[in-house]
Amino acid sequence: AQKITQTQPGMFVQEKEAVTLDCTYDTSDQSYGLFWYKQPSSGEMIFLIYQGSYDEQNATEGRYSLNFQKARKSANLVISASQLGDSAMYFCAMREGRTGGFKTIFGAGTRLFVKA
Amino acid sequence: GAGVSQSPRYKVAKRGQDVALRCDPISGHVSLFWYQQALGQGPEFLTYFQNEAQLDKSGLPSDRFFAERPEGSVSTLKIQRTQQEDSAVYLCASSFRRVLEPMNTEAFFGQGTRLTVV
Repeated sequence: AQKITQTQPGMFVQEKEAVTLDCTYDTSDQSYGLFWYKQPSSGEMIFLIYQGSYDEQNATEGRYSLNFQKARKSANLVISASQLGDSAMYFCAMREGRTGGFKTIFGAGTRLFVKA
Repeated sequence: GAGVSQSPRYKVAKRGQDVALRCDPISGHVSLFWYQQALGQGPEFLTYFQNEAQLDKSGLPSDRFFAERPEGSVSTLKIQRTQQEDSAVYLCASSFRRVLEPMNTEAFFGQGTRLTVV
């Protein structure tokens, strides 16, 4: 079974508009962490934001916020005021506290296109 | 530079050839990871080192894959008798913490090595 599901292969957004990238996850652990990474065409994975399973407030980092709905097992990334430089692949990822060991599990990604 | 450095950036290998991919982590980083990223997919975990100890190699797809980090800094991922299905980007990441606790410990990624097996 897929542990991380990103159902949007590609998304378009107008510059300066907000966009939501969807992510659902599957785990039986009570303790886990959720991450979003950006991968520009240069290839490196850039950490954007983190949400812990016990965190009661949604995480925010500048223009990035994470809409965490624990009961629905979703962790959507919201990018506000999109910029042309936001065009990239975005990956949702999870680390499981008890059973996951050292690995981070990634989804298949969503390619975001920001239009001028 | 201060980031994770991987070399070569691109490698073309003939089927059956052995290859070695190098990762220079950020200085002082204890943890080092290797991931394989197939075209159009997210990265998949291969192996994890804490200093020179390989603590998890559960993601290595076959015994043709071998990784080492003999002095706890530079790491090499070796693939023997390469096959076409080995074509992918191989990403290395490092982190200053040992066991990634707290959970939000960030890992820093290199730009990867794109391996093409022909």
